[in-house]
Amino acid sequence: AQKVTQAQTEISVVEKEDVTLDCVYETRDTTYYLFWYKQPPSGELVFLIRRNSFDEQNEISGRYSWNFQKSTSSFNFTITASQVVDSAVYFCALSGYGQNFVFGPGTRLSVLP
Amino acid sequence: DVKVTQSSRYLVKRTGEKVFLECVQDMDHENMFWYRQDPGLGLRLIYFSYDVKMKEKGDIPEGYSVSREKKERFSLILESASTNQTSMYLCASRPLGDRGRYEQYFGPGTRLTVT
Repeated sequence: AQKVTQAQTEISVVEKEDVTLDCVYETRDTTYYLFWYKQPPSGELVFLIRRNSFDEQNEISGRYSWNFQKSTSSFNFTITASQVVDSAVYFCALSGYGQNFVFGPGTRLSVLP
Repeated sequence: DVKVTQSSRYLVKRTGEKVFLECVQDMDHENMFWYRQDPGLGLRLIYFSYDVKMKEKGDIPEGYSVSREKKERFSLILESASTNQTSMYLCASRPLGDRGRYEQYFGPGTRLTVT
């Protein structure tokens, strides 16, 4: 069975602090994909990144970076110099060989001015 | 840009009413999904569809049914709404892809309250 765990239910930081959101997954598939989504207060989930199981390179996009470690089954997300607009619920998701996603429970990030 | 639209952002219904939630996508995606989102539980899959007239149960199908008569439209039906179906409902679509590689595209959600 596939499972995604996001142990941090809520995180609060002050603007300009760095913050890391943890994601740990379980799967027996050898080929799989990992995703991060952002859900701002408006409600719509916004796709942030996809990573496949054969690509363990870290990725950086502006203030966002992702650390994929297959050895620990983790796909963590770091926001550098956080801003108030980063306040949202963030979901990690896993997709195996089939068509369906397994979502983690989400981490609510509050960035205070 | 892919666009997924849902018929209502907010809906209030009474217990026992039949409720229809509509979802339309404009990118010719084969796969469509209905989720409900509740605090602390993340997104849970209710039903999904791989093609027109095809449907598969997700993790929590009880109390729900779906209809997909056209490729772009996927409807979620609550046959007799109950208060425990008060939730945020999210529709998503996704192209048919090799080994599940593609992301899902989400609609804005419908917040349903059953009183």
